[in-house]
Amino acid sequence: DGGITQSPKYLFRKEGQNVTLSCEQNLNHDAMYWYRQDPGQGLRLIYYSQIVNDFQKGDIAEGYSVSREKKESFPLTVTSAQKNPTAFYLCASSKRASAEQFFGPGTRLTVL
Amino acid sequence: GESVGLHLPTLSVQEGDNSIINCAYSNSASDYFIWYKQESGKGPQFIIDIRSNMDKRQGQRVTVLLNKTVKHLSLQIAATQPGDSAVYFCAEKTDAGGTSYGKLTFGQGTILTVHP
Repeated sequence: DGGITQSPKYLFRKEGQNVTLSCEQNLNHDAMYWYRQDPGQGLRLIYYSQIVNDFQKGDIAEGYSVSREKKESFPLTVTSAQKNPTAFYLCASSKRASAEQFFGPGTRLTVL
Repeated sequence: GESVGLHLPTLSVQEGDNSIINCAYSNSASDYFIWYKQESGKGPQFIIDIRSNMDKRQGQRVTVLLNKTVKHLSLQIAATQPGDSAVYFCAEKTDAGGTSYGKLTFGQGTILTVHP
């Protein structure tokens, strides 16, 4: 089955620790995205990548980092510089020229 | 700044009724609008989209209407079912520097609750 997978589903982190969220897609999509969702709010763009080895900051990139070494993978690292990291994180992908983004199931990160 | 927003944060309907979810947008340059459905604890699912050169598009049990004059988007769900209960987001696509990248700006979302 083609799709997007995110792991883990739930993640707990102590303050001051970096943590990496995984996102993999087998849809052969060029573009990949990371969003953050807080309770009762819409999705806010953290980073996006249009092609391998290239990525751009979204609206709320501070405290986050990404890499795009492979077309299929777009991991997100939440660093200790992110002041309020507890949230639901969603990864998405799309064909380069298409607006339709396909979303993964999400990772819920909780800082203890 | 540009934004996409919703008039009503919650909507409760009876099973079998029609539902209408509304969305206001402010970026007149947006060329594409999308509706997503998000069930609790899951990622959003694409429902239907519409280009700015259209005013209506129909899918299976869903219809999207676009009124560019008043910058208003709506999602109509016919014969609403309990399985339609979810949060519904509208999103607008804005190009970045003329590239084909489909950056989406999401609205706050509307919670739809369908009572049996």
